[in-house]
Amino acid sequence: DVKVTQSSRYLVKRTGEKVFLECVQDMDHENMFWYRQDPGLGLRLIYFSYDVKMKEKGDIPEGYSVSREKKERFSLILESASTNQTSMYLCASSLGRWGAGNQPQHFGDGTRLSIL
Amino acid sequence: AQSVAQPEDQVNVAEGNPLTVKCTYSVSGNPYLFWYVQYPNRGLQFLLKYITGDNLVKGSYGFEAEFNKSQTSFHLKKPSALVSDSALYFCAVGGFQKLVFGTGTRLLVSP
Repeated sequence: DVKVTQSSRYLVKRTGEKVFLECVQDMDHENMFWYRQDPGLGLRLIYFSYDVKMKEKGDIPEGYSVSREKKERFSLILESASTNQTSMYLCASSLGRWGAGNQPQHFGDGTRLSIL
Repeated sequence: AQSVAQPEDQVNVAEGNPLTVKCTYSVSGNPYLFWYVQYPNRGLQFLLKYITGDNLVKGSYGFEAEFNKSQTSFHLKKPSALVSDSALYFCAVGGFQKLVFGTGTRLLVSP
């Protein structure tokens, strides 16, 4: 079974802090994704990566950056945390460098982040 | 651009009755369609997908989905609901490099 592990289940930070969310997958998947999930809005794509050191903006990249130095690890960075970034963050991975749209994504259990 | 719509925020059904969770999609070209389930405080779990072939797709936990090209729909179904099926369900459509998710439908199965 594919395992996607997010480093923290719950995290509390203060406004202005730089926050790192880590995600590791163990199935040698090319593609990795970061989403945020908010009630009534579903999942919104922040950033994704289809290869090491590659990144693509999703639908809501403002205020975030990402890093993918190794194939199995994809980090989401909140450069200067704000209260409107309080949310559930989900990491996912999938096979297939091209045509990722026909592959199922495998999700971690999420990080519930609160910014005070 | 691809999009999906889940017209119901919540679906209520009694245990043992059939259930349907609705999804409609909009794509140019052939659609890649997915259903996921999310239990409380967990990530999304993949249930099933339609890429091509039979219009009735079978998935995990006894779920199936019916692809209807003329109605651009991909409804999730189960012949007999269980209380343990209560969860949040997401429909998704595949684009070139990513999936686009619906806003989710909460399924509540009462004993």
